[in-house]
Amino acid sequence: DAKTTQPPSMDCAEGRAANLPCNHSTISGNEYVYWYRQIHSQGPQYIIHGLKNNETNEMASLIITEDRKSSTLILPHATLRDTAVYYCIVRVVWSYGKLTFGQGTILTVHP
Amino acid sequence: GAGVSQSPRYKVAKRGQDVALRCDPISGHVSLFWYQQALGQGPEFLTYFQNEAQLDKSGLPSDRFFAERPEGSVSTLKIQRTQQEDSAVYLCASSLIRTPPPNRDRGRDEQFFGPGTRLTVL
Repeated sequence: DAKTTQPPSMDCAEGRAANLPCNHSTISGNEYVYWYRQIHSQGPQYIIHGLKNNETNEMASLIITEDRKSSTLILPHATLRDTAVYYCIVRVVWSYGKLTFGQGTILTVHP
Repeated sequence: GAGVSQSPRYKVAKRGQDVALRCDPISGHVSLFWYQQALGQGPEFLTYFQNEAQLDKSGLPSDRFFAERPEGSVSTLKIQRTQQEDSAVYLCASSLIRTPPPNRDRGRDEQFFGPGTRLTVL
């Protein structure tokens, strides 16, 4: 699975959009981009995933660049409860199901 | 509905003791994963079950670690002769469909995680 690079930490004001970048320059055509987050003292939680098209669900939006070498997770109106570690994971879907987590980005949402 | 549950939530063991950690996946979920998360790090894969079959145990750090899922539902991770370096949070996750998924389900194999068991070895 391709390696991902994320900033170690980011801050965001409550109510504003949080834009979390992820670099996956070695991604191959059969790899999806997944985002999970982990709130303190909880297990990771699935957020969203995509292959090449932009995706949106009730939690977030995922913007993938045309060359697929990077992506951005957007939380449109961040709340204090969105403070968490956010993990960007690239995985070949039809291979093994295990997730390879990196260090992630610690997002802190301030009042 | 009920999510993935794990017990105990906290376990303190003396070095050399054996421990058993339990995972109750979401009912009907085919795939079950165990991960280990050291303090300040992301989770790391330990082992994977598809129903009762353990298809991958490449992440188990030593032969002191053993996992089973005899009836394809509840799973137990056992650690024998615990060492201080075993101190970590052990996470269990389940997903509905098997991996690799059939074509129509590509990308839909999201994993649902339990709250984890925090193991401290003194």
